[in-house]
Amino acid sequence: GEDVEQSLFLSVREGDSSVINCTYTDSSSTYLYWYKQEPGAGLQLLTYIFSNMDMKQDQRLTVLLNKKDKHLSLRIADTQTGDSAIYFCALGGGYQKVTFGIGTKLQVIP
Amino acid sequence: DTGVSQNPRHKITKRGQNVTFRCDPISEHNRLYWYRQTLGQGPEFLTYFQNEAQLEKSRLLSDRFSAERPKGSFSTLEIQRTEQGDSAMYLCASSLASVDVGLSEFSQYFGPGTRLLVL
Repeated sequence: GEDVEQSLFLSVREGDSSVINCTYTDSSSTYLYWYKQEPGAGLQLLTYIFSNMDMKQDQRLTVLLNKKDKHLSLRIADTQTGDSAIYFCALGGGYQKVTFGIGTKLQVIP
Repeated sequence: DTGVSQNPRHKITKRGQNVTFRCDPISEHNRLYWYRQTLGQGPEFLTYFQNEAQLEKSRLLSDRFSAERPKGSFSTLEIQRTEQGDSAMYLCASSLASVDVGLSEFSQYFGPGTRLLVL
């Protein structure tokens, strides 16, 4: 099955950039997602990247995909306190189930 | 609000009781998914439907679990003879599976979840 690994915790100062990393084992996934989960809330889809892309930028978010190393990253520019949450890397084949990582808890220090 | 809704939001039950959760997907979405999330973990896939057909079930879905989507709209997830290990957040998601839509519509949109505590 698919293994998705993320570091558990990241702490940054407000205004700095945050980079959350993810590695995976199965290269057949078509879509790679980043979800955000705030305390007591459901999962919010932040962004996704199609497997034939290397980079996607969406306002303060930049997703980088290195297929050779099976590495996905999410960069948040000008990190704000409202960005504090758990960020999940997730992989899917389009219509099918999505496999999630364990989540990285981002703490933004004012 | 036209997002995915789930009811109840919280459920406390005693071991051995049966519980049922409901999920109402985004109205035009034909695919519906159930996931389970335990504390400190990412969501784990349980099952999904396309319209009323249940197309895949995870091995996590024991015989005590049953999911239905009788009219291809809302879905229910029932757990019989609950155990303390069933305590978790149960998440529902929906998506639109169609050859006519853009790539972004493959994405799954999640509801707020039902938090189950089995005493």
